[in-house]
Amino acid sequence: EPEVTQTPSHQVTQMGQEVILRCVPISNHLYFYWYRQILGQKVEFLVSFYNNEISEKSEIFDDQFSVERPDGSNFTLKIRSTKLEDSAMYFCASSVRSGVTEAFFGQGTRLTVV
Amino acid sequence: DAKTTQPNSMESNEEEPVHLPCNHSTISGTDYIHWYRQLPSQGPEYVIHGLTSNVNNRMASLAIAEDRKSSTLILHRATLRDAAVYYCILRDTNAGNMLTFGGGTRLMVKP
Repeated sequence: EPEVTQTPSHQVTQMGQEVILRCVPISNHLYFYWYRQILGQKVEFLVSFYNNEISEKSEIFDDQFSVERPDGSNFTLKIRSTKLEDSAMYFCASSVRSGVTEAFFGQGTRLTVV
Repeated sequence: DAKTTQPNSMESNEEEPVHLPCNHSTISGTDYIHWYRQLPSQGPEYVIHGLTSNVNNRMASLAIAEDRKSSTLILHRATLRDAAVYYCILRDTNAGNMLTFGGGTRLMVKP
């Protein structure tokens, strides 16, 4: 069964460093998303991406964050200068189309900022 | 997205049916009712969705009230693997693609 894959599974970084979280969405999907979940809290939407541009973003997704689809298969989330409060599970998701459709989530990357 | 209300937690015995309720009294005509679940240490997983009619799939059934102000996710025979947080989410066909997760219901399954 096709799945969304994320690497690494766990990343530890020092405060102020840049991190790139990587995702390989399902191959025929056109819509891509990043969500995060701080330990013990709700899953929060960050950004959605379609046709090589951001289609929606939340208030959390400020200038420190960026997304890119550098080639035909990868979808990345970059955090330019990490803060302690960026520590969270980051989930990538993809869907075949927009609107009311099933989103497939990856297993997540646990980011720990020290 | 319109707001949903779910119990914080529920318990079930293994191999018994489980009915997980969700209230969405402010639902609009274009809102679909989605259910996702999150197993421990995993990403969310789609379970089922519907608009007006009851829906069945291999994972669960979704019963939607006639006035659409509430719905119930039914797991016909709970297994230990069904222990998870279950999220009821409304998605407007005319709105964006984001999912707005609430606190969900933590389902505990006892052997």
